[in-house]
Amino acid sequence: DAGITQSPRYKITETGRQVTLMCHQTWSHSYMFWYRQDLGHGLRLIYYSAAADITDKGEVPDGYVVSRSKTENFPLTLESATRSQTSVYFCASSPGVRSNEQFFGPGTRLTVL
Amino acid sequence: QKEVEQDPGPLSVPEGAIVSLNCTYSNSAFQYFMWYRQYSRKGPELLMYTYSSGNKEDGRFTAQVDKSSKYISLFIRDSQPSDSATYLCAMSTNAGKSTFGDGTTLTVKP
Repeated sequence: DAGITQSPRYKITETGRQVTLMCHQTWSHSYMFWYRQDLGHGLRLIYYSAAADITDKGEVPDGYVVSRSKTENFPLTLESATRSQTSVYFCASSPGVRSNEQFFGPGTRLTVL
Repeated sequence: QKEVEQDPGPLSVPEGAIVSLNCTYSNSAFQYFMWYRQYSRKGPELLMYTYSSGNKEDGRFTAQVDKSSKYISLFIRDSQPSDSATYLCAMSTNAGKSTFGDGTTLTVKP
């Protein structure tokens, strides 16, 4: 399917477990982003990537790890999940050249018990 | 203080009303100004995109940027129940990433 997809769409896990959220885009966009969205905080940037093998921290990176070995994939890993990481996670991509428009995925709703 | 401040809402208006959504910012390096619309349980989608100062119109929607005042607005004319959503302003320099406001939730009542 063309566009940007996220998996899983819903995930329930326990404190201390490792969780990986997947993001895949078919446009070959240079930039990819991970956000979390919580009531009262809007969209907060976790990590972003300007190209394959280039990643940088956003506003709230602690407890998260990212990698980008291929342009189209940008997985987000919670190394040891905590209850405070219960949130909705959005992945986005952007061409980044002459346009800063971001295209968002449908989101992953993560609950940490 | 946040770089981008958005009127918090929520906002409730009758169908047909004119809606004004507003954001202020502190970073004078911002050049790109965007409005995203987010329906409940969906990802945000771009609604309007403006480069530098001025107005941009698209159907019932008008985006306005005043860089001298560091203030942007989105106007919705003849609002419809289908416009009920959360509206997020976003701004960026030329670095690829954007800074988002916290969003304003709008409800348009029939």
